[in-house]
Amino acid sequence: DGGITQSPKYLFRKEGQNVTLSCEQNLNHDAMYWYRQDPGQGLRLIYYSQIVNDFQKGDIAEGYSVSREKKESFPLTVTSAQKNPTAFYLCASSIEGWGRYGNQPQHFGDGTRLSIL
Amino acid sequence: DQQVKQNSPSLSVQEGRISILNCDYTNSMFDYFLWYKKYPAEGPTFLISISSIKDKNEDGRFTVFLNKSAKHLSLHIVPSQPGDSAVYFCAASEGGSEKLVFGKGTKLTVNP
Repeated sequence: DGGITQSPKYLFRKEGQNVTLSCEQNLNHDAMYWYRQDPGQGLRLIYYSQIVNDFQKGDIAEGYSVSREKKESFPLTVTSAQKNPTAFYLCASSIEGWGRYGNQPQHFGDGTRLSIL
Repeated sequence: DQQVKQNSPSLSVQEGRISILNCDYTNSMFDYFLWYKKYPAEGPTFLISISSIKDKNEDGRFTVFLNKSAKHLSLHIVPSQPGDSAVYFCAASEGGSEKLVFGKGTKLTVNP
């Protein structure tokens, strides 16, 4: 089945450590996104990528880094510079990022919950 | 500054009745609006969307209404079912932008 796979579902990090969250999609989507959700809050955009080897900062990129070496993969690294990393992280993808097919919805993975030990 | 607002944190309805979830926005450049449904510990699931050139879009039990002059949209679920109990997020984007702006969500509870 086509979809977006995020792993692991739960992740624990010690203070001062970097940690990488995985996101893989087999939908052949061009665009991929990372969001953060905090309790009682909406989703906030961290980074997005419209094409391989290119990505853009979202609204809350500080303390995070990404790479897009393959179309199907968009890993997110939460660095030690992120002061409040405990949150639910969601990866999404959409068919393409330039509106050539009109507006297209983003589809989400099931998330990774990151906690600080 | 919150550009997409869902002013009701929660809503409770009886099974079989209509559920109406509301969303207001402040950015007049938004031209694409979406509703997502989210269960705990899962990712949001796309439900329905509407372009600003329309004022209504319907998909089965779900209908979204857009009032551009009031900068308001609503999601109607008829009839409501217990399985509809979830958090519903409204989202918007402008001019082909990749950036979706989300509201904080409304928790819907449908009582049997």
